[in-house]
Order: sequence, then C-alpha cells, then structure tokens
Amino acid sequence: QQQVKQSPQSLIVQKGGISIINCAYENTAFDYFPWYQQFPGKGPALLIAIRPDVSEKKEGRFTISFNKSAKQFSLHIMDSQPGDSATYFCAASPSGTYKYIFGTGTRLKVLA
Amino acid sequence: DTEVTQTPKHLVMGMTNKKSLKCEQHMGHRAMYWYKQKAKKPPELMFVYSYEKLSINESVPSRFSPECPNSSLLNLHLHALQPEDSALYLCASTRSGGDTGELFFGEGSRLTVL
Repeated sequence: QQQVKQSPQSLIVQKGGISIINCAYENTAFDYFPWYQQFPGKGPALLIAIRPDVSEKKEGRFTISFNKSAKQFSLHIMDSQPGDSATYFCAASPSGTYKYIFGTGTRLKVLA
Repeated sequence: DTEVTQTPKHLVMGMTNKKSLKCEQHMGHRAMYWYKQKAKKPPELMFVYSYEKLSINESVPSRFSPECPNSSLLNLHLHALQPEDSALYLCASTRSGGDTGELFFGEGSRLTVL
C-alpha cells in the first residue's frame, strides 16, 4: 500500500514531442505528489508538485495531471528537448510524516 | 545551484577506514535527511532528523552513524563499510518536520568502498 508504481521504465522521444510518464498509488493518505528530475551524477531536483485538491498544474512545458479517483498522476513534458534527457522520479508523501515514497524512475532520452 | 551543500563529492575508502560525510543547509529548514541511492534506483531513506533529534532510522546498519550538531549541519559517520555500501549518498532537507513539502536534495557524495 506504500508503493508508488511508475511507468514506463524508459522512454525515447523525438525533439519537440510530448513525453508522458505515469504513476499510480494505493495509499489514500498521500497528500503531496512531487516529480523529481535527476541528471547523471547529480542529486534529484524538484520539477513540479501537486496536492490532491487540484486536477492539473502547469509550469512552463511541464504539467502534472492528477486523477484522485483513479489514484493516478502523470507528468507531461511538452516540446521535449535534448536537455530534458534525465531520469524522472514521481513520489508521494503522506500528511504529517517525513516519508517520501519514490517511484522506480523513468529514464527519458530526447533525440535531437 | 543547490542550497544543500554536501562534502566531499567523491570518497574512496577501505573497509577498515573511518570517514564522514557532511551536509549543510542555510535555508532555516528544521528537518534533514540522509538517503542512499544505488545506480538506476530511487533514493532510499536512511535517517531523518527533526529539530536536531533523530526521528527516523530505517533499520540502517550501525556502521552508519548519523549526527546532527546543529540545525544547519548533518553528518554521516562511516566505519567498517562493505563494498555493497558503495552508492551515492544524498542529504536533503524540508522546511519543517512532518509537514510534507519540497524536499531539497544536495548533489550527493559518491562513495566507493574497496
């Protein structure tokens, strides 16, 4: 119940295309859903995050779609660029804890 | 630039050595974390300090010993490590303990145990 399932494991997209990464969870106590971007040799950096009271959040080319009833959330990267090539982790955190449950990661490669 | 600073960036040690990893943040955050990350895997929580007190120890072997000297500093003391402990060790912080919000990561310390 504490798991966050992430798919796909890897993704190859042409420059200018849309990259979509999906995550699903079971624990209804989760109330914070961030996405992290990690480049090789670097620490993860917060990309965008959402709370369950909204269904969508957009920041530049990055959008989170959140479906509370289906317990799913996804990251959409519009106009994908080679510089977006990185590993993306979704995560979920229950209210009042220090726990951040990470998905297994998606390695994105954007072809020039 | 990350606001969580970790030193050293790289560390190579033998199984009998004693070394320490250091982490510093000046954002006024009151919760600090140590994570371990193996290649192609997500970060794995090791310890959490909240208001300078150890709040979570995820059953980490005693060869890893955390220390929080003050609200800005977090150390991880290493002793008698095994080759399988080689990994990227990430420090992170959040604004306050138990209040879910942005987890700020440092760039990590790459540890190799020979």
